[in-house]
Amino acid sequence: DADVTQTPRNRITKTGKRIMLECSQTKGHDRMYWYRQDPGLGLQLIYYSFDVKDINKGEISDGYSVSRQAQAKFSLSLESAIPNQTALYFCATSPSRDTGELFFGEGSRLTVL
Amino acid sequence: KQEVTQIPAALSVPEGENLVLNCSFTDSAIYNLQWFRQDPGKGLTSLLLIQSSQREQTSGRLNASLDKSSGRSTLYIAASQPGDSATYLCAARLGGSARQLTFGSGTQLTVLP
Repeated sequence: DADVTQTPRNRITKTGKRIMLECSQTKGHDRMYWYRQDPGLGLQLIYYSFDVKDINKGEISDGYSVSRQAQAKFSLSLESAIPNQTALYFCATSPSRDTGELFFGEGSRLTVL
Repeated sequence: KQEVTQIPAALSVPEGENLVLNCSFTDSAIYNLQWFRQDPGKGLTSLLLIQSSQREQTSGRLNASLDKSSGRSTLYIAASQPGDSATYLCAARLGGSARQLTFGSGTQLTVLP
């Protein structure tokens, strides 16, 4: 079983719909992240959380919200999806130190029509 | 703005060749740098993590180096194989944004049989 699991893996939705992407991890890490990847571009940080009570905006948080339900669970929501949010979304985790290694989930491909 | 750059964007080599992938960053106050491999439609797999106090790390046929003074890291792949074909991304935890990794846009490597 994967250490970092994302659901759903693929989702097609329509403009204006609310979408939630979920991430769960079994690595016991405190830090969790949501990234977005667009074709030909590097990953951009949407939100990150260093523990259950700590949520921080990343580079591109507009149009997104997150919830850290437990140490092992971090979900990303699009309250009203728009076509330019079509992308590959990744959840990642790392240990509680700035020198820690990052571990990624398999990704969730979201298409907004 | 802190940036991480990977050039070239794409590279093709014949099987068996040794090759070097390049990554440059704009901030010499680097905490660490991580190299990832991404297969099409898949998540990122961590290959090597170099801390700022280290000059290189090795894993099998892979060797990554870090030169803080010049703002460069290289990933050396020895005796390349068709299975090495993938996109390779570097990500640096830089200076004031130590909580975040800044990603390069990747080098797409094709190893021809």
